[in-house]
Amino acid sequence: GQQVMQIPQYQHVQEGEDFTTYCNSSTTLSNIQWYKQRPGGHPVFLIQLVKSGEVKKQKRLTFQFGEAKKNSSLHITATQTTDVGTYFCAGGGNQFYFGTGTSLTVIP
Amino acid sequence: EAGVVQSPRYKIIEKKQPVAFWCNPISGHNTLYWYLQNLGQGPELLIRYENEEAVDDSQLPKDRFSAERLKGVDSTLKIQPAELGDSAVYLCASSSRRAGVNTGELFFGEGSRLTVL
Repeated sequence: GQQVMQIPQYQHVQEGEDFTTYCNSSTTLSNIQWYKQRPGGHPVFLIQLVKSGEVKKQKRLTFQFGEAKKNSSLHITATQTTDVGTYFCAGGGNQFYFGTGTSLTVIP
Repeated sequence: EAGVVQSPRYKIIEKKQPVAFWCNPISGHNTLYWYLQNLGQGPELLIRYENEEAVDDSQLPKDRFSAERLKGVDSTLKIQPAELGDSAVYLCASSSRRAGVNTGELFFGEGSRLTVL
């Protein structure tokens, strides 16, 4: 089946530092979505990327979709304690196979 | 607008007992997903419905798991008999679909946390 891997698995940053998580697929993706899951919560949709090389921004969050549509990244500038949680990418067309996730801890 | 509703939120059972989870998707969402999420891992798709039809159930362990979505609205996921390894959070999600294309985001319910003793 489709494999979507994320690195790193865990990331601890000092508040104010930047954070990046990377998502890699074994196959070409028709689109990719990003979700955030707070501790004890459920995944919440952040964004969807569809076009090769697409870049989208949401305030301090920047999302990129690779030219080959096999990888994606999420970059957070100047992290805040509210950014704590696990970030998942989900790739595919209909099924949305979720990545392994990156757990972000922000140290005040 | 009401979100995806799941019940029960928590369930503790002895192994070999049956258990059922219920999901009510967002009104008008014709696509419904059941995911399993183990601690520290990403959601894993169990089954996807388009209206009342199960269009992707390749990851559903059919020897003990079953699901139904009668009338294309609510859905039930059943495990019989439950095993220790089934302890996890069972997430239901829904999305809308037009002209055969998924329009985007999945809306997740709060999940049903199962503990099998």
